[in-house]
Amino acid sequence: DAGITQSPRHKVTETGTPVTLRCHQTENHRYMYWYRQDPGHGLRLIHYSYGVKDTDKGEVSDGYSVSRSKTEDFLLTLESATSSQTSVYFCAISESENTEAFFGQGTRLTVV
Amino acid sequence: GQNIDQPTEMTATEGAIVQINCTYQTSGFNGLFWYQQHAGEAPTFLSYNVLDGLEEKGRFSSFLSRSKGYSYLLLKELQMKDSASYLCAVRDENYQLIWGAGTKLIIKP
Repeated sequence: DAGITQSPRHKVTETGTPVTLRCHQTENHRYMYWYRQDPGHGLRLIHYSYGVKDTDKGEVSDGYSVSRSKTEDFLLTLESATSSQTSVYFCAISESENTEAFFGQGTRLTVV
Repeated sequence: GQNIDQPTEMTATEGAIVQINCTYQTSGFNGLFWYQQHAGEAPTFLSYNVLDGLEEKGRFSSFLSRSKGYSYLLLKELQMKDSASYLCAVRDENYQLIWGAGTKLIIKP
């Protein structure tokens, strides 16, 4: 299995607070992605990275920011959490834009 | 807009064969992926098709017709552990993955 670790695995936070989720990989893959998964929807891309300090927005990026200061770490920050951001968040990695993605175990975030 | 359609839920019997369909309308096409996701777990990669035809991998096969915007995942000799959601995803012209909502497959003894 690809070495991807997400932390925390579960988090409950209050509306208006900032939250940071961490994704750590040991595969040295260039591409890293943050998705959210909600019932009735496919996985939706929030942000992705194609190298250290190289990031771009996905289809649902509003309210989220990311940073990648090292190849192995990709951080997702909810600047001011809202109830609509309650979701399961998955990090994924891929060697290139042409290859399959491998997923972390997910973070279940609840905003109350 | 871009769209991936899959049935929401399917039921099949242990030992039987099931076909899960996926139709897509995307801006460009750079490959189609199938993933399996057990409840509460991460998606795991099953198959990849970029050319028309059938790709076989053990009990699982995946078919692609680019002209029809259509793929299917065929699962043979169904086992109880195959109860899961199956996700179809298409890589578009910008190499972004567009995901279907997934098909929940229920296997009955």
